[in-house]
Amino acid sequence: DGGITQSPKYLFRKEGQNVTLSCEQNLNHDAMYWYRQDPGQGLRLIYYSQIVNDFQKGDIAEGYSVSREKKESFPLTVTSAQKNPTAFYLCASSAPTGVYYGYTFGSGTRLTVV
Amino acid sequence: AQRVTQPEKLLSVFKGAPVELKCNYSYSGSPELFWYVQYSRQRLQLLLRHISRESIKGFTADLNKGETSFHLKKPFAQEEDSAMYYCALKPGNTPLVFGKGTRLSVIA
Repeated sequence: DGGITQSPKYLFRKEGQNVTLSCEQNLNHDAMYWYRQDPGQGLRLIYYSQIVNDFQKGDIAEGYSVSREKKESFPLTVTSAQKNPTAFYLCASSAPTGVYYGYTFGSGTRLTVV
Repeated sequence: AQRVTQPEKLLSVFKGAPVELKCNYSYSGSPELFWYVQYSRQRLQLLLRHISRESIKGFTADLNKGETSFHLKKPFAQEEDSAMYYCALKPGNTPLVFGKGTRLSVIA
């Protein structure tokens, strides 16, 4: 069953902690993305990767880091430098450019700072 | 800069009434535009693409380059259409830029 899996569904972070959100896909998609979804703000791009071992900053990359060591995986680390990390995080993937069928989204991770 | 504007945060209509969710974009190149939908407790999913000129679940959207708009329309709203709708722009070979979304509430 092809798809994109995000884990955990809920995550709680203490002040000053780094946490890592997992995103795995078995769709053989080259490109993967991380968006942050806040009420009234829509989806804002954090990082994206169009190929293994390469990634680019999005509009709100400060306080976040990513890696892309495998095609299937694109984990997002929320560092202590992120001032307002409480949000809903969405991971997505897409097929190579030129064959555009839309993004496939994960079910999201809700991160709360306690 | 690329920008997508959805002027309405919330749109409430009665069942059977026409629906129009507005979307305007700002982009200097040739735009690729999309509508995504997020039903309650479901994943965000693609609804339709302007390039396909398709009708999905009774929804259509026409790209108007002169007005830089891509409004989503449906002649008769159904309760199951209640959801969050996002307009999105694909600026060339870079990721989608999303609007802030419009929550559609269809009242029985």
